[in-house]
Amino acid sequence: EVQLLESGGDLVQPGGSLRLSCAASGFSFSNQGMSWVRQAPGKGLEWVSGISGSGSTTYYTDSVKGRFTISRDNSKNSLYLQMNSLRAEDTAIYFCAQDQGWLHANWGQGTLVTVSS
Amino acid sequence: EIVVTQSPGTLSLSPGERATLSCRASQISNTYLAWFQQKPGQPPRLLIYDISTRASGVPDRFSGSGSGTDFTLTISRLEPEDFAVYYCQQYGISPRTFGQGTRVE
Repeated sequence: EVQLLESGGDLVQPGGSLRLSCAASGFSFSNQGMSWVRQAPGKGLEWVSGISGSGSTTYYTDSVKGRFTISRDNSKNSLYLQMNSLRAEDTAIYFCAQDQGWLHANWGQGTLVTVSS
Repeated sequence: EIVVTQSPGTLSLSPGERATLSCRASQISNTYLAWFQQKPGQPPRLLIYDISTRASGVPDRFSGSGSGTDFTLTISRLEPEDFAVYYCQQYGISPRTFGQGTRVE
C-alpha cells in the first residue's frame, strides 16, 4: 500500500523560510516522479512542483520559481520542498503526490503552511 | 498555461440521481485528462485518468468521456458517499492545471 506522510508545516512570517518533507513507502520510490500540490483555505487545487525519479529534472509553477526548491533523497525515500521568501498567498495545505508519468496517482494527507505576521 | 474550466460550480441532486459534470480545457496533450474526488478534510482521490480509465477500486457508476477540449464525468446513480467536490486536471502539459472544481451537494 502506498503511504505518503507530509511534515514540516508551520506558521511562518512573510519573508520567512520553511522546509516540507514527505516520507514515502509501499512503492519503488526512486522509480517514480513526485509532486507537490497545494490548496489554499477553501480554494481549489494548484500544482506547485514536480521532480523526476532520479531527481535530475524539476518543474515549477511560475509563481514559485526562484523561491521554492524541490528535491528528493532516494536513499531515505523522502521528498522535500524548500520554501523561501514566503508570502501570504503561499498559505495552503501542501500535499505530496506520487506521480505515474505525470498523473498524481496517490496523495498524502497534507501539511498546513500558514504565512502571517 | 492551459486553462481548465469546470461547470457548473455546484450541482444540487438527490441520491439515486444522475450527475453530469463538465470540464473544458484550452488544450490537452494526448488523452491526459484526469478527475479527482475530494471530501472535506481529506486529500484528493484519483477517480479517472486518460479521459475514461477508472482508477483501481473506483465503482463503475463513475465514468469519464470526451475528446478534444470538452470532457465529462458522469455518476450514473449518486450514492450518499459521492457528495463531494470534483476536480478535473490536464496533466500532459506543464504546468499541470486543475479546474476550479464542481461541488455535488
